[in-house]
Amino acid sequence: DAKTTQPNSMESNEEEPVHLPCNHSTISGTDYIHWYRQLPSQGPEYVIHGLTSNVNNRMASLAIAEDRKSSTLILHRATLRDAAVYYCILRDNFNKFYFGSGTKLNVKP
Amino acid sequence: DGGITQSPKYLFRKEGQNVTLSCEQNLNHDAMYWYRQDPGQGLRLIYYSQIVNDFQKGDIAEGYSVSREKKESFPLTVTSAQKNPTAFYLCASRDSDSSYEQYFGPGTRLTVT
Repeated sequence: DAKTTQPNSMESNEEEPVHLPCNHSTISGTDYIHWYRQLPSQGPEYVIHGLTSNVNNRMASLAIAEDRKSSTLILHRATLRDAAVYYCILRDNFNKFYFGSGTKLNVKP
Repeated sequence: DGGITQSPKYLFRKEGQNVTLSCEQNLNHDAMYWYRQDPGQGLRLIYYSQIVNDFQKGDIAEGYSVSREKKESFPLTVTSAQKNPTAFYLCASRDSDSSYEQYFGPGTRLTVT
């Protein structure tokens, strides 16, 4: 069974915020939450990661629920270049990364 | 430029043949990973290596083999025992001192007929 659950697809308008949800109800206390995104026929690229506290970087924000059973990736102003498959991932303390099936984000102009 | 290279981008083989996929990195990273991706699905871990001359099985290692004789190289062999080898294969590396980010190569699309 997958360790993370995400909606198959979401749609957003350009220049509007996007909230991408992820459930990880079986997360252990030492698992980190990572988000990567993947363009067609390319390898995934790192977006953001966190453990317990909310995180911000130049690409996005990560909001982590208090019980850590869910998280949300926030793109503050979606652009056409943000159209990709977004993966919510758990990294365990052996540095194994567990990918979910991803959310395909479509951005409309 | 530093990065990860995978070659070739597309690979075609006949059923019953072993095939080796190349993965090279010049990032001086200790850890390297192999993933398999099937259409519309996420990545599944095949093998990973935290250091030279050491590697561990991932979630779907059956029918695959790897070696890690050099820090910069982590080749993956898809053997004839792998029942459904057609897939997109991705290699990644990670700096063990900066453990949060994996750097991925461009991938190899393997088709076996």
